[in-house]
Formats: sequence, structure tokens, C-alpha cells
Amino acid sequence: QQQVKQSPQSLIVQKGGISIINCAYENTAFDYFPWYQQFPGKGPALLIAIRPDVSEKKEGRFTISFNKSAKQFSLHIMDSQPGDSATYFCAASMNRSGGGADGLTFGKGTHLIIQP
Amino acid sequence: DVKVTQSSRYLVKRTGEKVFLECVQDMDHENMFWYRQDPGLGLRLIYFSYDVKMKEKGDIPEGYSVSREKKERFSLILESASTNQTSMYLCASSLAGRAQSEQFFGPGTRLTVL
Repeated sequence: QQQVKQSPQSLIVQKGGISIINCAYENTAFDYFPWYQQFPGKGPALLIAIRPDVSEKKEGRFTISFNKSAKQFSLHIMDSQPGDSATYFCAASMNRSGGGADGLTFGKGTHLIIQP
Repeated sequence: DVKVTQSSRYLVKRTGEKVFLECVQDMDHENMFWYRQDPGLGLRLIYFSYDVKMKEKGDIPEGYSVSREKKERFSLILESASTNQTSMYLCASSLAGRAQSEQFFGPGTRLTVL
């Protein structure tokens, strides 16, 4: 059972355009929703994250929109640049009541290409 | 800067061999994780640890075990490697706390099992 569904699998956007990647989750216990960016040959790196008490978070050209009732969240990249070409993963996790860690449940990834 | 290092970038092993993948982090993080990454499947959690000698199964623990004898080091063990364990293995670490915190990933080990 895939708990975080991500779309599209691949996306081509012209330079300066808006890139939009969508994710939907099933487990209502999730309370942390990060987006990771991965370049070829590198491990993923945190791009931006949101918690369900807010509906939107913006950091520079990157914005997460969060819809708790629909159990959906999305990443918007404004003024997309060739350097944004990478694979993007949405993820989700939940806090443990007794403390301690919990791993991330990832979407399958979106391969984004920004054409010059 | 947080640094997560993995012992090998590339590894080739034979079916049935015992394989050790090592991960070391230098930021005194309590939590450590092992994921595998496969094309079209994203990253999937194998095991994680929130303290020395503590371990928890993730979503796909079958065929794997882990060891955490020191805070900075987390090892993934394939007791008897099989071809379906050919994959990219990623280690990550994060700070403990009431809220989830950023996971920092290593560069990955690409394991091929022949």
C-alpha cells in the first residue's frame, strides 16, 4: 500500500515557468511533510517542509501548499531555472507518542527538466 | 556542515555473500536511517535507530539487519545477498526532538549483487 502518491513522474517546464508537483497521502497520523531535491550522484537534500497547522509555506522561489481536508500537498517552483533540474521527492512522517525517531515515507519521485 | 559518509560508493558482491554497508555521521545525531532507492519506486525505509543499540524495522526489513554500537555509526547487513537486493542504499541521520527534523543523507552506495 503506497501511502504517499506523487505525480507527475516526469515534468518538462520552460525556463521562467512554474513547476508544480503534487502529492497525496492516506495516513492522517502524518504530521510532517518535507520535499527533498536530488541531483544525479548525490543523496537527497531537504528543500522545504511544512506541518499541517499551516496551509502554505514559502522559501524563496519554492512554495508548499497544504490541504489537510483533501490530504494533499504540492510544491510550486516559481521562475523555474535550468539549475532546478533534478528529481524531487515528497515525503511524510509522524511523531511517535513516546519520542524517538520515525522514518520518512517517500513518494516515487518526479524527474523535473527545465528547458533553457 | 553535517556530514554523512558511506564506506563505499560502489560495491559488487556475489549471491550468498554477507555484505556490510557502513555509515558514519559527524553531527552527534541521535537518529539514523537506512533507505534503498530504486527507479520508479522512490526511497523505501529499511531500518532506523533512535539510540545506540536500539533499532526499529522500517517498511522493507526482510533480508536485512542493522547494528548500532556507537552513536555515530550505523551498519546495514545483508546476511546472504540476493540479486533482488541490487540497489542504491542511502543512509541518513537527524536530531532527536519532539518534532521531526531534517534528515541529512549520505551520497549512497550502489550495490550490485551478481
